[in-house]
Parts: sequence; C-alpha cells; structure tokens
Amino acid sequence: GQSLEQPSEVTAVEGAIVQINCTYQTSGFYGLSWYQQHDGGAPTFLSYNALDGLEETGRFSSFLSRSDSYGYLLLQELQMKDSASYFCAVREISRGGATNKLIFGTGTLLAVQP
Amino acid sequence: DAGVTQSPTHLIKTRGQQVTLRCSPKSGHDTVSWYQQALGQGPQFIFQYYEEEERQRGNFPDRFSGHQFPNYSSELNVNALLLGDSALYLCASSSLPGLAPDTQYFGPGTRLTVL
Repeated sequence: GQSLEQPSEVTAVEGAIVQINCTYQTSGFYGLSWYQQHDGGAPTFLSYNALDGLEETGRFSSFLSRSDSYGYLLLQELQMKDSASYFCAVREISRGGATNKLIFGTGTLLAVQP
Repeated sequence: DAGVTQSPTHLIKTRGQQVTLRCSPKSGHDTVSWYQQALGQGPQFIFQYYEEEERQRGNFPDRFSGHQFPNYSSELNVNALLLGDSALYLCASSSLPGLAPDTQYFGPGTRLTVL
C-alpha cells in the first residue's frame, strides 16, 4: 500500500522553529514535496526534494533521506500567518519516468501562538 | 499572469444528480490534474489529463470522468452523486513531467455538497 505519515497537530509560538516530519511508504518514489494550505484555500507549493539533503527557501527548509523514507519541513522565525495545514506529498515514478501524480499525507495542522 | 481558475466556487447537489466542474490551467501549463479533498484529509488524486487524454487515474470509480480541451482547460464530471462525494475538488496544473522544479499550481477549488 501507499501511505504518508505526519503528526496531526503541532503548536508553537511566534519566532520559534518547528519541524514537521513525514515518513512515507509508496510503490514508486521520485521526490517529496511540501504544500501549505490555509483554511478553505488552495494548497501552495513550498519546497521539493528529489535528492537526499537539505533544500532551503527563505524561512522554510526541507530535508529528505531516501534510505530512511523520511523527510521533514523546517519552519524558522514563525509568524502568525504560518498557521495553516502542511502536507507532504510523494511524486510518483512510473515505468515511463517521473509523473506529476502526487500522493498526499493527511496533513499537519500548525497553530502559531503569540 | 492568471493562475489556475476553477468554477463554480460552491455547488449544492442532491444524491443521484450529476455535476460538472471546470478548470483553466495557469498560462503556459498543458497538464491538468484533479484531486478530491475530504474535510480534514489530504488531497486524493483522481486523474490527470495531457494532450486531451487521460494519462493517469487514481482509485476512483467510473462515475468520475473528465475531459481536456484543445486550450488545455478541463472538466471533471461526476455522475450518480453520493453523499460521500461531498468534498473540495481541486484542479492542479503543471508542465510536462520530468521538468524541474517540480511544482504544481492548485486552483482555489470547488466546494461540492451533496444532500
């Protein structure tokens, strides 16, 4: 089967650092993406890892370890506007190569408190 | 540069009815994917269209069908609606698979309620 596990909820205070973990088990793997979704809004792309290691984009960083089927999203200098749901998503690979099919986790609700 | 647009924003139907949702991809994108997001869950892949053909399909019944037009816009049709079809339906557009970076742009979604 295919599954992505994330913590359901995380709470942190403004200015802090928070890490959201994701472990995955999928039949095919090409890369791990992270999306942010505010309540009632569209998921927006944050970061993508195709290779092991850390990718940094401003206050957000994402890490991937393919051997451990594990990744995380690191949010620094938390702001109130970061309160949202965060999803990890595996990009599948097929016999024809990479695909654009994403398999999403159940999401982590991040609450940033003053 | 217009992003992904979807219509309608909200829709209420009753069991057994049929519904059509529409999506226009981001300018320059030729691939459209549809996802279903139930409350409190992550989006679930329904299918993907490229060059007016269904290229991939998730675990959804044949009641879910789609179409892509020459201008890359797409429709999602759901027949014989069930209460369990109530969800946010998201359209995502992208370029050909394999191009980096991997980014799919999501529309605001259509909130479907089945009574």
